[in-house]
Amino acid sequence: DAKTTQPPSMDCAEGRAANLPCNHSTISGNEYVYWYRQIHSQGPQYIIHGLKNNETNEMASLIITEDRKSSTLILPHATLRDTAVYYCIVRVFGNDMRFGAGTRLTVKP
Amino acid sequence: GAVVSQHPSRVICKSGTSVKIECRSLDFQATTMFWYRQFPKQSLMLMATSNEGSKATYEQGVEKDKFLINHASLTLSTLTVTSAHPEDSSFYICSAITGTIAKNIQYFGAGTRLSVL
Repeated sequence: DAKTTQPPSMDCAEGRAANLPCNHSTISGNEYVYWYRQIHSQGPQYIIHGLKNNETNEMASLIITEDRKSSTLILPHATLRDTAVYYCIVRVFGNDMRFGAGTRLTVKP
Repeated sequence: GAVVSQHPSRVICKSGTSVKIECRSLDFQATTMFWYRQFPKQSLMLMATSNEGSKATYEQGVEKDKFLINHASLTLSTLTVTSAHPEDSSFYICSAITGTIAKNIQYFGAGTRLSVL
């Protein structure tokens, strides 16, 4: 599976949108982009995933560039409970999830 | 989303004892489950892939005789840490895959924090 690059940390003001970038320039055509987050001392929580189209669910939106080499996870109205480590993972169907270092998002009041 | 239950959530044991951790998929059948380990301030590291009815596949550097994995049914996988030592103290997390090709999601348990004294 292709590797991803994420900034180690980001801050966001409560109530504002949090935009978390991810670079996956070596992604192949059959690899999906997944986003998970891990709140301290808990297991990772699934957020969203996509192949090439933008996706939206009740938690977030996923914007994938047309060349699929990068993506952005958007939390539209960040709350203090969104403080967590966010992982961007590219993966072929059926393969296991390989985690990088992720981005530590801190939502501040 | 689908639920993966992990038990116990925390365990403290003496050095040399064995510890069993259970991972259950509560509302779906999981032909494949995964076990991860996470040390403080580090990311998750895959330990092994567990397929129902067959032997687990271990990642390089993970001792299969120390970390025994059994996946006897479509809803249960167990990880046994044999003869645990302080260096085995870590956060152990299981996960399972469910869904179709178009909606293939890996769900994670809440994790088990193992402390070996």
